[in-house]
Amino acid sequence: ELKVEQNPLFLSMQEGKNYTIYCNYSTTSDRLYWYRQDPGKSLESLFVLLSNGAVKQEGRLMASLDTKARLSTLHITAAVHDLSATYFCAVDRDNDMRFGAGTRLTVKP
Amino acid sequence: EPEVTQTPSHQVTQMGQEVILRCVPISNHLYFYWYRQILGQKVEFLVSFYNNEISEKSEIFDDQFSVERPDGSNFTLKIRSTKLEDSAMYFCASIVGTMNTEAFFGQGTRLTVV
Repeated sequence: ELKVEQNPLFLSMQEGKNYTIYCNYSTTSDRLYWYRQDPGKSLESLFVLLSNGAVKQEGRLMASLDTKARLSTLHITAAVHDLSATYFCAVDRDNDMRFGAGTRLTVKP
Repeated sequence: EPEVTQTPSHQVTQMGQEVILRCVPISNHLYFYWYRQILGQKVEFLVSFYNNEISEKSEIFDDQFSVERPDGSNFTLKIRSTKLEDSAMYFCASIVGTMNTEAFFGQGTRLTVV
């Protein structure tokens, strides 16, 4: 069974600092996604990663994928308050998409 | 921009009643999903649907749940006899099904069982 583990589950950081969220998964995958969720809202797609070594960046967020290690990272650079949200990774194998537990990020001034 | 539409946005139902949650996926998408999220918790996979049949389902998706695509556009999730623990946000998602494509999520239906 495809299992997805994220850590940390909770992350409190100061504005301007950098940090990384990790996502490990148990079997080979076709796609890896990163989503953002604000309280009471739906899931907003941030990145789709397909191949080993893939790296995508959008603003202060950068996602990477190592399929050999079955690991993806979401790196936050110089955090700002607007990045406060819950971030989920999700792994898709044969169009069966499973989510990690989520990382609740709080960015403090 | 195309979007996945879910109705209703909020449903309150009495325990033991049947509910039907509706989703209109993006028109050229081929794979459809239902997920549920109990408040503030993990996004749990319920079922995936392709080519008019269930592709995968989780242990949560027991005999109380069913899905169908009755008219080629709507994608419904039915809970036959709701329990208090079915209270959650239910999200529908769809994907084209080819590589390098993202999954689009609807805004969700908040189900409250009283």
